[in-house]
Amino acid sequence: EAQVTQNPRYLITVTGKKLTVTCSQNMNHEYMSWYRQDPGLGLRQIYYSMNVEVTDKGDVPEGYKVSRKEKRNFPLILESPSPNQTSLYFCASSLSMAKRGGNTEAFFGQGTRLTVV
Amino acid sequence: KQEVTQIPAALSVPEGENLVLNCSFTDSAIYNLQWFRQDPGKGLTSLLLIQSSQREQTSGRLNASLDKSSGRSTLYIAASQPGDSATYLCAVRRNTGGFKTIFGAGTRLFVKA
Repeated sequence: EAQVTQNPRYLITVTGKKLTVTCSQNMNHEYMSWYRQDPGLGLRQIYYSMNVEVTDKGDVPEGYKVSRKEKRNFPLILESPSPNQTSLYFCASSLSMAKRGGNTEAFFGQGTRLTVV
Repeated sequence: KQEVTQIPAALSVPEGENLVLNCSFTDSAIYNLQWFRQDPGKGLTSLLLIQSSQREQTSGRLNASLDKSSGRSTLYIAASQPGDSATYLCAVRRNTGGFKTIFGAGTRLFVKA
């Protein structure tokens, strides 16, 4: 089954304790991205990756890091989480924009609800 | 900077009504536009994707159109049902100055039985 898998689904942590949220897709997609969703602010893109070893900032990258060492995985790293990073996080994947005629439909994971206290 | 606006923010209709949700964007240099559905506390379910070279896409009771020149997309839902109650989001992927994806704030739809 084609899917995007995020782990964990729920996480409560303390300020300053480094954490990683994993994201994996099994559709051989080049394009992967992370979003956060906050009430009244909607979904905002944090980082995206066009392919392995190619990452770029979205609209709200401060306080986050990503890496793309393999095509299927795109972890989100919070080196020193703060309470303002409490949010619902989504990972998504699709074919890259570079391919003409391809179906670039984005598929989303089920979300990770992060609470930083 | 690309901005995506969805109108109305909320909509309540009786079952069986046909309805139109609107999405507008400020920069016509887009690669694609995608409509999603989100149920409370859940993830996003893709409904329809329109590539920049296309004018519309259809799936069942749903039809989405795209007019790049005017910066607009509409999602038409025919014969609405209570199960259609959800938040509908549109997302635009840019093709200039990076390949960011920008979401609208969504339209919250309630279909009354």
